[in-house]
Amino acid sequence: DAGVTQSPTHLIKTRGQQVTLRCSPISGHKSVSWYQQVLGQGPQFIFQYYEKEERGRGNFPDRFSARQFPNYSSELNVNALLLGDSALYLCASSLAARGSNEKLFFGSGTQLSVL
Amino acid sequence: AQKVTQAQTEISVVEKEDVTLDCVYETRDTTYYLFWYKQPPSGELVFLIRRNSFDEQNEISGRYSWNFQKSTSSFNFTITASQVVDSAVYFCALSEIYNQGGKLIFGQGTELSVKP
Repeated sequence: DAGVTQSPTHLIKTRGQQVTLRCSPISGHKSVSWYQQVLGQGPQFIFQYYEKEERGRGNFPDRFSARQFPNYSSELNVNALLLGDSALYLCASSLAARGSNEKLFFGSGTQLSVL
Repeated sequence: AQKVTQAQTEISVVEKEDVTLDCVYETRDTTYYLFWYKQPPSGELVFLIRRNSFDEQNEISGRYSWNFQKSTSSFNFTITASQVVDSAVYFCALSEIYNQGGKLIFGQGTELSVKP
């Protein structure tokens, strides 16, 4: 079975531009979460979506938005890019039965560079 | 507020040495989950273990072992007889009991380098 897939793997943008990152969860997984990992730091939670609804949001500005599609894939959008948005963006999926706190399965990420 | 601290930024050992990675957490929740993930150079985080706050029994899995002490809010991870393939960044993480599987609070990570 395929794992969590993310596209593109690398992306270079300039300040002020907009970017869309894509994620396909493991088949059967209904929850998708997004994390930002700045070089040398741990991942920071951005969003969680379950059954197409936002179930959690981290401390990120409104320039960050996301959505989940009927097939459970997800997109993360970032508007008005800043240099500080340069990071590895990780997507994770899980079955997400409430209260289970089962493990997350992560993709290899999209490396975003903002120049 | 929840917080995870991994005080060791980098550790370097020689193959076959034992190594312990420290993790200290803060939470006001009485029930919570703790995790360890491994991040090899390829980038994806790989799940290693999950423990809930009700279960303080320590665990051994092959060369890996975990020491959970609620009294000191610590969840340390030991690799016995380390191997070069263990070289990676290791993250400790914390989540609330009713989390729907998405939000983890990660520590800063410990980069382990195992030299031959």
